[in-house]
Amino acid sequence: AQSVAQPEDQVNVAEGNPLTVKCTYSVSGNPYLFWYVQYPNRGLQFLLKYITGDNLVKGSYGFEAEFNKSQTSFHLKKPSALVSDSALYFCAVLAYGNNRLAFGKGNQVVVIP
Amino acid sequence: NAGVTQTPKFRILKIGQSMTLQCTQDMNHNYMYWYRQDPGMGLKLIYYSVGAGITDKGEVPNGYNVSRSTTEDFPLRLELAAPSQTSVYFCASRKGSGGATDTQYFGPGTRLTVL
Repeated sequence: AQSVAQPEDQVNVAEGNPLTVKCTYSVSGNPYLFWYVQYPNRGLQFLLKYITGDNLVKGSYGFEAEFNKSQTSFHLKKPSALVSDSALYFCAVLAYGNNRLAFGKGNQVVVIP
Repeated sequence: NAGVTQTPKFRILKIGQSMTLQCTQDMNHNYMYWYRQDPGMGLKLIYYSVGAGITDKGEVPNGYNVSRSTTEDFPLRLELAAPSQTSVYFCASRKGSGGATDTQYFGPGTRLTVL
């Protein structure tokens, strides 16, 4: 079975401060990890993914995520948050050979001006 | 490419009515998915398909039906609408050819209210 935990319901951060959204996963075998963002009244947009190789993955809009195998984590980060980063963020995991992603429940990020 | 398109954007149904949510992708993706999103509950998988003619149940299939007669289209059918089916519905697709290396893309969603 594969699963994802996003432990915080909401993350509040001041504009210009670093932003971190946490994600831990459980999967048999090698994980393939994804982050998606959802703006109000929109569909989910792909941000970045980890498949193999460098543990630090860079994605869209200045976001990056670090894969940590020993801690089974894939936290999303941005060095300096913008008000426009306020959105719902989903972490997802796929086990090799599986047909469907397992999504976390999502984290609401609020960037305060 | 238009990507994944969904129609309608909004719909209000009365209890017991039926309707079909349309989903089309023009990326020649093999895998297609239907999710529902309820506030604070994340995404729940309703049905998915790994190719034309093949469908399978997800976590919450009750009250829904799907078909996949072509690669491009994956309609979701609600036969007897119930208030519990009030939700936002998302269709998604991915190539599915490279194991896990391909990315899943989402449509803009259909907001359904059952009264």
